Order: sequence, then C-alpha cells, then structure tokens
Amino acid sequence: EDKVVQSPLSLVVHEGDTVTLNCSYEVTNFRSLLWYKQEKKAPTFLFMLTSSGIEKKSGRLSSILDKKELFSILNITATQTGDSAIYLCASTSGTYKYIFGTGTRLKVLA
Amino acid sequence: DAGVIQSPRHEVTEMGQEVTLRCKPISGHNSLFWYRQTMMRGLELLIYFNNNVPIDDSGMPEDRFSAKMPNASFSTLKIQPSEPRDSAVYFCASSLQGSFTGELFFGEGSRLTVL
Repeated sequence: EDKVVQSPLSLVVHEGDTVTLNCSYEVTNFRSLLWYKQEKKAPTFLFMLTSSGIEKKSGRLSSILDKKELFSILNITATQTGDSAIYLCASTSGTYKYIFGTGTRLKVLA
Repeated sequence: DAGVIQSPRHEVTEMGQEVTLRCKPISGHNSLFWYRQTMMRGLELLIYFNNNVPIDDSGMPEDRFSAKMPNASFSTLKIQPSEPRDSAVYFCASSLQGSFTGELFFGEGSRLTVL
C-alpha cells in the first residue's frame, strides 16, 4: 500500500529559527513529490520534485529529494509568524494518484 | 481564472440525513480527486476520476459514500445516511494529468458537521 509519512507531527519555534520538515514515502512507480502549505483553508502549492539531489528554492523555503533513500526535506530559514501553518507532503504514482502525509503543524512564536 | 469551486462551504445536518457535496474542477483538467481531512487522519484520498471515469475508490469508507462525475465540469460526493463520524472538511481537487508542473489545485473545502 502506498504510504507517505511526515515528521515531526508538530513543531513550535521562535521567529528567526531554522526548521527542517521530513517526508518519507513508499509509492509504487513513484513519479513526483510535492509540498503544500495549508493555513486556514485549502492547501497551496510550494514545490514539486522529481529528480534526486536538485534543490528547489523559493525565498526562505527550500526542498530536496533523495530517491535512493525515499525521502524529502523542506527547510525554512529565518522563520516568521506567517510561516505558521500545516505543511503537507504528497507523492504521486504512475497512476497520478496523490497520496498525502498527515502533515507537520508548525507554529512560529514572535 | 476560476479555481476549483465547491459547494456548500458549510453544511450542518442531523444524523441519518443525506448530504451532497458538489465540485466544479478547473476547466481543461482531466483528473478530479475527493479528499477528507480530519485532525486525526489528515488528508485521506476518497476517490479519484480520470476523464470522468472512477479510477480508484479504495478510500471510500463504506457503502454510505458514493461519488459521480457525469461530465468533465461537475462531480458530486454523496453520503447517505450521514453519521457524526463523517464530520470533516471535504476537499475537491483537480489536475491536468501529465502536465509539467503536476500541481494539484484544491477547492476551498466543504465543512460538514453531522449532529
């Protein structure tokens, strides 16, 4: 059965800290891994990764994929209170099925 | 451009009643997904369609749940009869299979409360 596991489940940090969120996956015919941010409503897209070792960056956020060890990490540097959200990781398979992890709930304190 | 549109945004009903949630995917997208989100279980995939055909409904909890996609621009998720444990936020999402970005676009969700 396809599975995506995220850790930690929740995290509380102070503004300015750097955080690393983890995502491991077991998916038949892996195609891609995606990161989403969910605040109060619908998840919004952050990154899609398909190749090992290539870092994707957007401002203070960056992500990398390791297809050999079947995991990805999402880094957030110099965290701000606006980064408080649930961060979701999803994997897609050859059948374009998107399987999500349970998410990491991040709270950034001022 | 209009995104994925879901209705209703909120639904409060009593146990035993029928609930119908509706979704209009982004025009041109050929894949549609229904997810249920709870604190305990996160985002669970219920069913997904490709070109209006159900591909995988293994996540549908039981026979009380059914989903249809009569055409490329409309889908429904029905719960009959509803139970309190069905209370959750139900998301519809769509994507263009084979697209370069592979992004999944979510609607705003339908928050269901069954009393």
